[in-house]
Amino acid sequence: QVQLQESGPGLVKPSQTLSLTCSVSGDSISSGTYYWSWIRRPAGKGLEWIGRLDTSGRTNYNPSLQGRVFMSVDTSKNQISLRLTFVTAADTAVYYCARDRKAGFTLVRGMISTNTYYYYMDVWGKGTTVTVSS
Amino acid sequence: QLVLTQSPSASASLGASVKLTCILSSGHSSYPIAWHQQQPEKGPRFLMALNSDGSHRRGAGIPDRFSGSSSGAERYLTISSLQSEDEADYYCQTWGTDIHVFGGGTKLTVL
Repeated sequence: QVQLQESGPGLVKPSQTLSLTCSVSGDSISSGTYYWSWIRRPAGKGLEWIGRLDTSGRTNYNPSLQGRVFMSVDTSKNQISLRLTFVTAADTAVYYCARDRKAGFTLVRGMISTNTYYYYMDVWGKGTTVTVSS
Repeated sequence: QLVLTQSPSASASLGASVKLTCILSSGHSSYPIAWHQQQPEKGPRFLMALNSDGSHRRGAGIPDRFSGSSSGAERYLTISSLQSEDEADYYCQTWGTDIHVFGGGTKLTVL
């Protein structure tokens, strides 16, 4: 089955750039129409979605991090990468990558029904801890 | 704005059942969600995708002790025959306009 493994430096200095890689095994990341997400969990807090991309390079980013987050894909290495610039202590967290699966549903608003879709994470990595400190 | 609301904590006895709730914000009652479990010191695990009609699809290897149901804007995760390893944080999640949304999580304690 598909497995995800995050890797990268465990310590980053304030104002520098955090760079992480998610290695996908068990399947080619190009084989399906998936998006690949990055999520983080600061100590004592809940999950926060960072952003996602597909193998065509299409991205969606959390507006709260827009301008600091960049994602890329290397299909030859079956890897997804995350860069987060100008980090502060608030970026200290466990970082996870996950696969986004697409599913359809019927959106009902008043008298109007629309067939549309949503995404959910169906495979997660084990996570990697990043500490921002001088 | 799409918001998912969860109670911060819940508790139940070993062998009993517990029902966790995730509430979708006004105007979003037809949205499906997913439930994820995060045990201490582990990565999250996908439990199930849950539709507004209560139909659900469990992830690979998820036992049928975990079930889902829905009522209006509320989405439920019921865990029966509670085991010690069910002590974990549980998150609901859905997809808004180009953004993933998570609930704040419920910390489940097994007594």
